[in-house]
Amino acid sequence: ETGVTQTPRHLVMGMTNKKSLKCEQHLGHNAMYWYKQSAKKPLELMFVYNFKEQTENNSVPSRFSPECPNSSHLFLHLHTLQPEDSALYLCASSQFRTDTQYFGPGTRLTVL
Amino acid sequence: ILNVEQSPQSLHVQEGDSTNFTCSFPSSNFYALHWYRWETAKSPEALFVMTLNGDEKKKGRISATLNTKEGYSYLYIKGSQPEDSATYLCAPLSGYALNFGKGTSLLVTP
Repeated sequence: ETGVTQTPRHLVMGMTNKKSLKCEQHLGHNAMYWYKQSAKKPLELMFVYNFKEQTENNSVPSRFSPECPNSSHLFLHLHTLQPEDSALYLCASSQFRTDTQYFGPGTRLTVL
Repeated sequence: ILNVEQSPQSLHVQEGDSTNFTCSFPSSNFYALHWYRWETAKSPEALFVMTLNGDEKKKGRISATLNTKEGYSYLYIKGSQPEDSATYLCAPLSGYALNFGKGTSLLVTP
């Protein structure tokens, strides 16, 4: 247990669905991150939030919409995804942006 | 986004063997390098954060060295055990983002 939880662990959705991924950290950290892990590719940073403010958007398509209502929770809202968006989505947190990041278990997303 | 190379891509060793992997990254504007260990069906787990040229860190049987001038880091595992089987990821910090390599996948068989 890293202190970072993610729900759901698995999600199957159609291209017209709207769904949300949730991440919660119990570590008192100030920065939170969304990463994407596609098959045979390295972990790719999607978004960074620092003290609830978005500081990085790594050219992510608008069909992915992050939300950080407080420093403990991070959401990734999904809308009209494509099959190529199927991947493992990992959330992480750190005390400050340059510190060790603690990862959640991930959500395995399949888009049909 | 930094170009990060890790080698070898995969490695299969016998229990008790010692092994090492390489992480190469651009040496300009270096700030820090992170190493993570990622076991199947688990979360990536932080091993080391390294910042200084010549840094050497150790955690049990695992150690790492850093050369920021030439842009590489080595990870060593002494006396590999089956529970060391995992993917080992390195990630230099660029700005405020970690740039992960594809990792070295280690399999240790009894």
